[in-house]
Amino acid sequence: QKEVEQDPGPLSVPEGAIVSLNCTYSNSAFQYFMWYRQYSRKGPELLMYTYSSGNKEDGRFTAQVDKSSKYISLFIRDSQPSDSATYLCAMNVQGGSEKLVFGKGTKLTVNP
Amino acid sequence: GAVVSQHPSRVICKSGTSVKIECRSLDFQATTMFWYRQFPKQSLMLMATSNEGSKATYEQGVEKDKFLINHASLTLSTLTVTSAHPEDSSFYICSASGDGGHEQYFGPGTRLTVT
Repeated sequence: QKEVEQDPGPLSVPEGAIVSLNCTYSNSAFQYFMWYRQYSRKGPELLMYTYSSGNKEDGRFTAQVDKSSKYISLFIRDSQPSDSATYLCAMNVQGGSEKLVFGKGTKLTVNP
Repeated sequence: GAVVSQHPSRVICKSGTSVKIECRSLDFQATTMFWYRQFPKQSLMLMATSNEGSKATYEQGVEKDKFLINHASLTLSTLTVTSAHPEDSSFYICSASGDGGHEQYFGPGTRLTVT
């Protein structure tokens, strides 16, 4: 079993839809959770960073962490064509100085 | 968020030559930098972790004599691909963390093509 599992998709939704992206993990020691967005041929861009279980909201994005289930989610409300990208979950135990464990990424297309 | 830059954004070199890629943190001090490579439609593969002023820690299977990493200051790390071969052609991305934060910020990537 991989440490971090993420459905690679692809996921295609109409503009305005609510998108749900998910990752599961097996290492209960993970404490820091990040979501990155990567456009084609660009570096990943940090979207959301969470530490504790619960929800964190930033504009149209909500990150959710359920440590008891080892499950994290990213919700995108009112999705836009500009949200079309690959979304990567990432996590580690000790934070910034430690290497991240990535999911494989989910490719999202939002159709106008 | 914090800004990380990379230079060059793309480079083409001949087989057997060396090429240097720079990674800079523009608005924070990066105590730790990471180097990744990414193949088309695949996730990031960590190559090495470097802490300012100390030797890099390479991941298993990554040749440290081929991929030289120098993290000489809190804002600059370099990756030198020595004696490049066509199979080294890839997208190389750095990330950085520091200033007591837990987040990692990525550079825009460098596309290396070895002919």
